Amino acid sequence: ETGVTQTPRHLVMGMTNKKSLKCEQHLGHNAMYWYKQSAKKPLELMFVYNFKEQTENNSVPSRFSPECPNSSHLFLHLHTLQPEDSALYLCASSQESGDSNEQFFGPGTRLTVL
Amino acid sequence: GQNIDQPTEMTATEGAIVQINCTYQTSGFNGLFWYQQHAGEAPTFLSYNVLDGLEEKGRFSSFLSRSKGYSYLLLKELQMKDSASYLCASMDSNYQLIWGAGTKLIIKP
Repeated sequence: ETGVTQTPRHLVMGMTNKKSLKCEQHLGHNAMYWYKQSAKKPLELMFVYNFKEQTENNSVPSRFSPECPNSSHLFLHLHTLQPEDSALYLCASSQESGDSNEQFFGPGTRLTVL
Repeated sequence: GQNIDQPTEMTATEGAIVQINCTYQTSGFNGLFWYQQHAGEAPTFLSYNVLDGLEEKGRFSSFLSRSKGYSYLLLKELQMKDSASYLCASMDSNYQLIWGAGTKLIIKP
């Protein structure tokens, strides 16, 4: 595997379900991100982890719970979601080196909440 | 507040040139990014500008004016595969990317 991978690619869940999204980066980066992408809206940054420590939480509802067990893996645990949470969830990674900090994205998980 | 503005949609003809504009207002500035996103796929990096001027990379060029808070992406010799959304993002003082909503570019034969 190369780059940033995400599983599952598609997920349909009810409002009472609990599910988890997984992201893995194979680039040796030290920062990982969760974004939410809704149609015709800017990418919304949800969480940032630098060296496994959460450094950003942009007022995300507690029904979204991130976990970063190591610098290569990032999870997003979901529970009691709402239909408006249906969106594309993108994971990204970057190397916080003071250069361009270019972010590399995974293919995303298309989430539908019924 | 922080804000990125770019047109919602543009249409151009195969073989032609198109310029996608972006204006930004962010708390601090550490560079301007352009990403390409095909429908159903991940955004992929196109360019990064931190100094004023034009950066050319093959058929794609990106321009930055920091004093005007303005950037553009120039696509030459358009191909059908260039049909995609183009995302402008400014990196703020905390090194976080502030994203525009994207410009959907439609290429017609």
